[in-house]
Order: sequence, then C-alpha cells, then structure tokens
Amino acid sequence: KQEVTQIPAALSVPEGENLVLNCSFTDSAIYNLQWFRQDPGKGLTSLLLIQSSQREQTSGRLNASLDKSSGRSTLYIAASQPGDSATYLCAVITSGSRLTFGEGTQLTVNP
Amino acid sequence: EAGVAQSPRYKIIEKRQSVAFWCNPISGHATLYWYQQILGQGPKLLIQFQNNGVVDDSQLPKDRFSAERLKGVDSTLKIQPAKLEDSAVYLCASSLELAGLQETQYFGPGTRLLVL
Repeated sequence: KQEVTQIPAALSVPEGENLVLNCSFTDSAIYNLQWFRQDPGKGLTSLLLIQSSQREQTSGRLNASLDKSSGRSTLYIAASQPGDSATYLCAVITSGSRLTFGEGTQLTVNP
Repeated sequence: EAGVAQSPRYKIIEKRQSVAFWCNPISGHATLYWYQQILGQGPKLLIQFQNNGVVDDSQLPKDRFSAERLKGVDSTLKIQPAKLEDSAVYLCASSLELAGLQETQYFGPGTRLLVL
C-alpha cells in the first residue's frame, strides 16, 4: 500500500526566504508525482507534475525534484511571498490511476 | 473554461440523516473522482468513474456511501445514514482521461459537511 509523508507539517518563514518542502513515498513504482496548493475553503490547484522518468520541473519561483529510487521529492520555493501562504500537498499516482496524497505542509509567509 | 462545479458549498446535518452532494465536471472530461478530506489530512479517494462506469471504489464505505454518474457527466455522492466521523470536505475532481503519465486532475471547491 502506497504511503506518502510530508515534512514539516507546518512552516512559518519571513518574506523573501527560500524554502524547501519535503515529500516521501513508500512504493517507487509511480507514474508521476504532483504538487498541489490548497487555499482555505478552496479546492486544490496543481502546481507541478513530474513524470516518473523526469528529475525535476520548474514553474516560475517553484522547482520540484524527484528521486524515484529513494522515494523522495522536494518542492523549492524561491523568494517567498505572503501570497504563497497555503497548504502544499504532494501526491503520487501508481498503477490503477489512484492519486495518493500526503497530509500536507501548512506554509505561512510573514510580511 | 469553466472549472469543476460543486454544490452545496456547506451542509450541516444531524447524525443518522441523509445528505447528497452534486458535481459537474469540466466539459469533455471523461474521468470523475470523489475525495474525502478530513481536517488536517490529505484527500482520500472514495470513488473514480470513467464515463459512467466505476473504475475504483475500493475505499468507498459501501454500507452508507453511494455514488452515481448518470450519462457520464454530472455525479452525485450520497451518505445514508451519516455518522459523526463523516464530517469532512468532499472534493470532486475531473480529468480528460484516466490519470497517468501527464494527466492532471482539476478540483472543485468542495462541499464542507458537518455532522452533529
């Protein structure tokens, strides 16, 4: 059974700081890994999708890496802004097309 | 392009009552998902449809939960009877096809259920 763990559970940083969110998964037989953002009272927004054959993906100030063999991914956020405050969720797809989510990292960026 | 629509946004019921949620996916999306997200946890897949057929309902508590997707478009999720532990946000998502190498899922705003 696939299990996804995210560390830390919560993170508070001052504006402008670079930060790293961590995700680990137990079954390396994944099709892809995705990072989502969830704002309070809203649904999930996909930020980055990394296919199993890829090592990283970048979008603006976000960079996600994937080390499939060790079952790890990181989301790097550069020059954080208060608008980045949200919960960040990592999810993997294995056979059967089921998305398995971690419990999320709640990020607060203080002005 | 319109996103995934869900209603109602909020619902408060007493235990043992029944409740139903509605979802309208993005036009043309063949695959529809229902997730349950308990406070402080990540979403958990309840059921997955491909058109109007069920692909995966292994985590759906079938003694009280049911879902249907008539005509392969809109979907309803029902809980009967509700328990206190059903208090959660119910998220609907859709994707063009079965999620795979490149496919991503698009999520609705969710329905927040409180069972008293």
